[in-house]
Amino acid sequence: QSALTQPASVSGSPGQSITISCTGSSSDVGGYNYVSWYQQHPGKAPKLMIYDVNNRPSGVSNRFSGSKSGNTASLTISGLQPEDEAGYYCSSYTSRSTFVFGTGTKVTVL
Amino acid sequence: QVQLVESGGGLVKPGGSLRLSCAVSGFTFSDYDMSWIRQAPGKGLEWLSYITHSVITTYYADSVKGRFTVSRDNAKNSLFLQMNSLRAEDTAVYYCARVEYDAPGDYWGQGTLVTVSS
Repeated sequence: QSALTQPASVSGSPGQSITISCTGSSSDVGGYNYVSWYQQHPGKAPKLMIYDVNNRPSGVSNRFSGSKSGNTASLTISGLQPEDEAGYYCSSYTSRSTFVFGTGTKVTVL
Repeated sequence: QVQLVESGGGLVKPGGSLRLSCAVSGFTFSDYDMSWIRQAPGKGLEWLSYITHSVITTYYADSVKGRFTVSRDNAKNSLFLQMNSLRAEDTAVYYCARVEYDAPGDYWGQGTLVTVSS
């Protein structure tokens, strides 16, 4: 199972919006609405930010939103803040009843 | 509150074995599927395995199938990962996580470091 493809880095200024893409196949992202997104700060465990493509767990800021079109899912961070600087990973359920993560994206707040 | 605490990591020689444990509290362990996920130094997340809450069905990534075995003891609120035939490329921080919302983990432990080196 190959990792989902994400851009290595994305940057933006405070207050701006950025979007991170996550590209898979019809066997994972395109086949199920089971895409999730994680935020990871250095030395910390990942934190679930989005599940089922566009749902936020309780306590996650509404500045984070998700979407999907075909085999590509996206995470948008609106009103970028310094604390949003972190690594972000997508994940999808697959046709083999497994999960797969994306390659990861480092978000830099300029 | 929900807590997951991994243990059992350490230094092991190539070809060796190690058993990781994950002690959980703060939720009804037997109601949830559980995952193991790892992260090599400076690299991304890699999903390894999950085990269902009661039917005891297990799933594995190709990279560890046949070498790693996930198990659980619902009476002791514990999750395990038996790792055999370890290779240098298995060096990573290993996380246990609770499967929820069709995602591999909504709550994660702090991780335990496994180093495979001679």
